[in-house]
Amino acid sequence: QKEVEQDPGPLSVPEGAIVSLNCTYSNSAFQYFMWYRQYSRKGPELLMYTYSSGNKEDGRFTAQVDKSSKYISLFIRDSQPSDSATYLCAMRTPNAGNMLTFGGGTRLMVKP
Amino acid sequence: NAGVTQTPKFQVLKTGQSMTLQCAQDMNHNSMYWYRQDPGMGLRLIYYSASEGTTDKGEVPNGYNVSRLNKREFSLRLESAAPSQTSVYFCASSVQGNEQFFGPGTRLTVL
Repeated sequence: QKEVEQDPGPLSVPEGAIVSLNCTYSNSAFQYFMWYRQYSRKGPELLMYTYSSGNKEDGRFTAQVDKSSKYISLFIRDSQPSDSATYLCAMRTPNAGNMLTFGGGTRLMVKP
Repeated sequence: NAGVTQTPKFQVLKTGQSMTLQCAQDMNHNSMYWYRQDPGMGLRLIYYSASEGTTDKGEVPNGYNVSRLNKREFSLRLESAAPSQTSVYFCASSVQGNEQFFGPGTRLTVL
C-alpha cells in the first residue's frame, strides 16, 4: 500500500462547478501538506501549503487537512477551463529534511 | 531568471546505452532533487542533494548515479539504460523543504 493515495481520475466537471480533490495517507507523522498543480507536459508548481490541521484559503482555492482521519482536500470554487491540470498532493514529516512524499495525482478536466 | 532548466527535453536510447541528464538552477538554492514520474505513480525521488558536496539516495536510486557539480548544477547519469527507466524525469530545487521548484522535464524512452 502506498503511503499517500489519490484517485487518478480523470475528474470531469462543467465550468463554474465546485471541485473537491482528496488524498489519504497512512503516516501519522506527516505535518506539512502541499498541493501542486501540473499542466500537461510541464513541471509541477506549488499551489497551496498548510501546516498540521485546519483550513487555508487563497482566492478560489481552499486546502483542508484532517489529521484525525489522515485526509486532505483541495477545493476549487467557480472552476475554470484553465484549472484543467493534474493535481498532486505532497507531504513531509518534520524530520524528513526536504524530502516530500507525493500522491499519484488526480487529472481534472473543466469543460466550458 | 530562468529558474530550473533541464537538458535534453527528449531522448531515445537503446538498452545498454548511457546518458547524462543535466539540470541547472539560478535561484541560489541549496537543495536539488531528481524525480521520475510514471503514470499513476506520482513523483518518486531518485536522488537528492541537500547542499553542495552532498548527495543521498531517495526512494528509487537503483540504476542511477548523480553528481552535484556545484551549487547550480546537479546531473543524473544512467550507466546502462533499461526499458524500465522509460519515464519523465524532473529536476527540482528548493531553499526550504516545502516549496520545490521544478524544471520542465526530460522525456526518456529506452528501447
